[in-house]
Amino acid sequence: AQSVSQHNHHVILSEAASLELGCNYSYGGTVNLFWYVQYPGQHLQLLLKYFSGDPLVKGIKGFEAEFIKSKFSFNLRKPSVQWSDTAEYFCAVRDYGNNRLAFGKGNQVVVIP
Amino acid sequence: ETGVTQTPRHLVMGMTNKKSLKCEQHLGHNAMYWYKQSAKKPLELMFVYSLEERVENNSVPSRFSPECPNSSHLFLHLHTLQPEDSALYLCASSQGAGSNEQFFGPGTRLTVL
Repeated sequence: AQSVSQHNHHVILSEAASLELGCNYSYGGTVNLFWYVQYPGQHLQLLLKYFSGDPLVKGIKGFEAEFIKSKFSFNLRKPSVQWSDTAEYFCAVRDYGNNRLAFGKGNQVVVIP
Repeated sequence: ETGVTQTPRHLVMGMTNKKSLKCEQHLGHNAMYWYKQSAKKPLELMFVYSLEERVENNSVPSRFSPECPNSSHLFLHLHTLQPEDSALYLCASSQGAGSNEQFFGPGTRLTVL
């Protein structure tokens, strides 16, 4: 079964700092990759996704993620965070053609004004 | 609003009670999911329905019983739960149970006393 690792569960940053969240997965075959975000009191929503093509994916709100197949990684980045980016971020991976979406434990990000 | 609604938003129940969680999607999707979100643990996939047929049961105890009467509605019937079942229960839907994005509801916060 696919496993997804997210490190540094709690991240505290000041506004305008850069953010990078790591995501590593275990399956070596074709995968679909997702980052979801959950703002305080709100539902999970998709930030960005990778299915194929350009490994550098642009998402909403200035986020991007890079798929590095050789490292089994899909790290999320934002060059300059805002207070409104305070949220929990979840990486998710699906083995191609599978129903199952495997999630990481999440990163709780707090941005201090 | 993602087009996926869940009721109730909060539920407190005793171990001998029987209750049901409801999920409704207004997106025209044909696949629906139940997840369990516990603190400090990855989201756990519980059940997957595709075209109203259960296609995955992720070793969930029988005290959780799903029902999908049509492609827009999904229920989770609860009976004789344990305190460790307290969690946020999330419903999601997608077009196809394959690689497409899943849209999540706001969840039901369940507390078992």
